[in-house]
Amino acid sequence: DVKVTQSSRYLVKRTGEKVFLECVQDMDHENMFWYRQDPGLGLRLIYFSYDVKMKEKGDIPEGYSVSREKKERFSLILESASTNQTSMYLCASSSAGQARNTEAFFGQGTRLTVV
Amino acid sequence: SQQGEEDPQALSIQEGENATMNCSYKTSINNLQWYRQNSGRGLVHLILIRSNEREKHSGRLRVTLDTSKKSSSLLITASRAADTASYFCATCNDYKLSFGAGTTVTVRA
Repeated sequence: DVKVTQSSRYLVKRTGEKVFLECVQDMDHENMFWYRQDPGLGLRLIYFSYDVKMKEKGDIPEGYSVSREKKERFSLILESASTNQTSMYLCASSSAGQARNTEAFFGQGTRLTVV
Repeated sequence: SQQGEEDPQALSIQEGENATMNCSYKTSINNLQWYRQNSGRGLVHLILIRSNEREKHSGRLRVTLDTSKKSSSLLITASRAADTASYFCATCNDYKLSFGAGTTVTVRA
């Protein structure tokens, strides 16, 4: 069974803290993604990576950074957490294939609350 | 800004009826995908249509793609209560996979 695992289901952090969200996939996928999901806004792409040590900004990268030191692991970092970063964070991975992206597999999400 | 925009935002239908939702996007794509999200759960991939395809079927799902209009539609035939969910289109532009805001579908028994 294919799997994308996010390290935490729920997190509560204080304003100004540095927060790490971890994601691991076991499918040897080239591509990995971080999204945040907010009511009425759907999924917004924060960062993505198509290879180890490669990273690209998505549509809302401000206040976030990422790290991909190994193929199976993609970390999202909130440099200084703020209350407007309270959200559901979703990690996904996909195989590149000829079309650059095939079916994406999602983790169960991390609900982050910043107080 | 988001690449895909789904329409309508919400849809309520009777069991057995068909549900149609649309997706419009802005840039060129390699492929377009549709996903379903049941309440409180992760996203599940439904179907992928490549940029050189016009129509694709999978079970009760039918997807069309019109690259000249930059739009796609998802049709669910003979809907069931279990189809109640949010549906998202996702556009693949090179390695970037972008989602829209989704359509919430409620199937009434």
